[in-house]
Amino acid sequence: DTGVSQDPRHKITKRGQNVTFRCDPISEHNRLYWYRQTLGQGPEFLTYFQNEAQLEKSRLLSDRFSAERPKGSFSTLEIQRTEQGDSAMYLCASSLRGWPEAFFGQGTRLTVV
Amino acid sequence: KNEVEQSPQNLTAQEGEFITINCSYSVGISALHWLQQHPGGGIVSLFMLSSGKKKHGRLIATINIQEKHSSLHITASHPRDSAVYICAVRADKLIFGTGTRLQVFP
Repeated sequence: DTGVSQDPRHKITKRGQNVTFRCDPISEHNRLYWYRQTLGQGPEFLTYFQNEAQLEKSRLLSDRFSAERPKGSFSTLEIQRTEQGDSAMYLCASSLRGWPEAFFGQGTRLTVV
Repeated sequence: KNEVEQSPQNLTAQEGEFITINCSYSVGISALHWLQQHPGGGIVSLFMLSSGKKKHGRLIATINIQEKHSSLHITASHPRDSAVYICAVRADKLIFGTGTRLQVFP
């Protein structure tokens, strides 16, 4: 297992376009988290899943954002009608429920032009 | 008030100096992570602590569960230590601090 992987690493898109990011967690991890990090700030929580169930969503996750984890393995984060304010690093992390250790992906850097 | 507070926000040092970064939190946790993030964004996990102290090379991390406080120390700092250091706590979910930007000059 190579750890948490995210795809793509970088995405440049025009305002108004839709984008989708993918996160593959460590295979036996049942918890998966999405975070957003803007320049100069720490990561902000967006949402997390336990298996395929989305347990919590931040108020940061507007109607244009949707996240899924259909089979309890990989997850996708879609942003519809992107805005320049969506430009950020989108980070994924995974963990095993009840275990304190978490592992982090390298992130997807989104630039909306 | 953020659930995880780090200080300082920015830190500059001369090569060789001893550096301390602090993290305070207000929630019950099962573990605390110290993370390093270089320009380009990738996050590297340095330590995971639930009690006491850990050491890896020139890095030392301590945690006081009663006081809800952790520190990250860097001894004999080097320019390659320049990065953002982030404290994250594991409550029911991961909660991140805002990070400390460290610059070490030769």
